[in-house]
Amino acid sequence: DAKTTQPPSMDCAEGRAANLPCNHSTISGNEYVYWYRQIHSQGPQYIIHGLKNNETNEMASLIITEDRKSSTLILPHATLRDTAVYYCIVRVSNYGQNFVFGPGTRLSVLP
Amino acid sequence: EAGVTQSPTHLIKTRGQQATLRCSPISGHTSVYWYQQALGLGLQFLLWYDEGEERNRGNFPPRFSGRQFPNYSSELNVNALELEDSALYLCASSRTGLGEKLFFGSGTQLSVL
Repeated sequence: DAKTTQPPSMDCAEGRAANLPCNHSTISGNEYVYWYRQIHSQGPQYIIHGLKNNETNEMASLIITEDRKSSTLILPHATLRDTAVYYCIVRVSNYGQNFVFGPGTRLSVLP
Repeated sequence: EAGVTQSPTHLIKTRGQQATLRCSPISGHTSVYWYQQALGLGLQFLLWYDEGEERNRGNFPPRFSGRQFPNYSSELNVNALELEDSALYLCASSRTGLGEKLFFGSGTQLSVL
């Protein structure tokens, strides 16, 4: 089972920031938080990942709370092409375990 | 640098037949993962191979099997196809170790008639 919970859907106005929350209350100390997105019928696309510190790249920012029990993916200026299902994943700590995908959040960017 | 490549893009089979799906990982990646995504559903983990060995397996029947070759490419075999095996099959690769990113291919759409 996935170790994360996300809202099933969210809307965001084009040009505004999209803030996607994720709860991972049972995360362990050396488990990373990953974010991926999937546009209809395509392979999931890596967005960003982090362990403890906040991270930023050309696509997004990842804010992880100090207790690491939740995180937020921020798309600073959402476009229509950001409409997709966004998956928050905690990769279990033992070598030999897989990336478990939950149902994700369906983000709709509205014109 | 080439990404993860999967073949074929589409595959049509009839019930009871066998299907073979192929995956070439990114150069330098030794781990290959297989996922099944039925229409409108999430990604279900199938198999994970690393350094030629099966490291983990999802909750799928034994007729789902695979292997990883010395060049780290991988094959997924589905025997005795059933209608509910119709799905998008996604392959992903990564380097070994925690904190490594998973990169996905575009998938093989398997249709069982």
